[in-house]
Amino acid sequence: AQSVTQLGSHVSVSEGALVLLRCNYSSSVPPYLFWYVQYPNQGLQLLLKYTTGATLVKGINGFEAEFKKSETSFHLTKPSAHMSDAAEYFCAVRSSGSARQLTFGSGTQLTVLP
Amino acid sequence: DTAVSQTPKYLVTQMGNDKSIKCEQNLGHDTMYWYKQDSKKFLKIMFSYNNKELIINETVPNRFSPKSPDKAHLNLHINSLELGDSAVYFCASSQPGFTEAFFGQGTRLTVV
Repeated sequence: AQSVTQLGSHVSVSEGALVLLRCNYSSSVPPYLFWYVQYPNQGLQLLLKYTTGATLVKGINGFEAEFKKSETSFHLTKPSAHMSDAAEYFCAVRSSGSARQLTFGSGTQLTVLP
Repeated sequence: DTAVSQTPKYLVTQMGNDKSIKCEQNLGHDTMYWYKQDSKKFLKIMFSYNNKELIINETVPNRFSPKSPDKAHLNLHINSLELGDSAVYFCASSQPGFTEAFFGQGTRLTVV
């Protein structure tokens, strides 16, 4: 079974600083990995995804993530935080088998300080 | 155009009542899901339907019953609501092969 661990339920950064949100996964098959963002009282929006191919994937709003198989990681980064980045971020892995679904991590609340 | 839409967005009801949440997607996807987000924001799959057929049914009380009249709709009916049912419920859909899932805006259910 697939699982996801997000290290740090709360992360605070200053505006303009590097954002690093950590995600480690467990999967018995090559994983499909996702980062979703949830703004207050909103649904989940896809930031980026890794399926196959290039291990460095770029997403919306300047975010990117790198798939590292040897470390079973898929950390999310952004070079310079903006106040509008404050939100809850979820890492997820797609299950294998015929019944495809997402298994989510517990989420990381990102706070951006002025 | 909203890709995955849920109604209502907010639902406040008393214990013991029966309520339904509706979901519609206009993406032409074959698979639809219901996820529950608890008060700690943890997201967990409840149900998945593929072309109107139930394919995932996680450990969810029998009081929860999904219904899919066609592949564009997946409704969630909840009987005898309990305080512990208070949560945000998300509908989602995906295409065959599942390269990503599209989520609705969520329905915040509060049972009082």
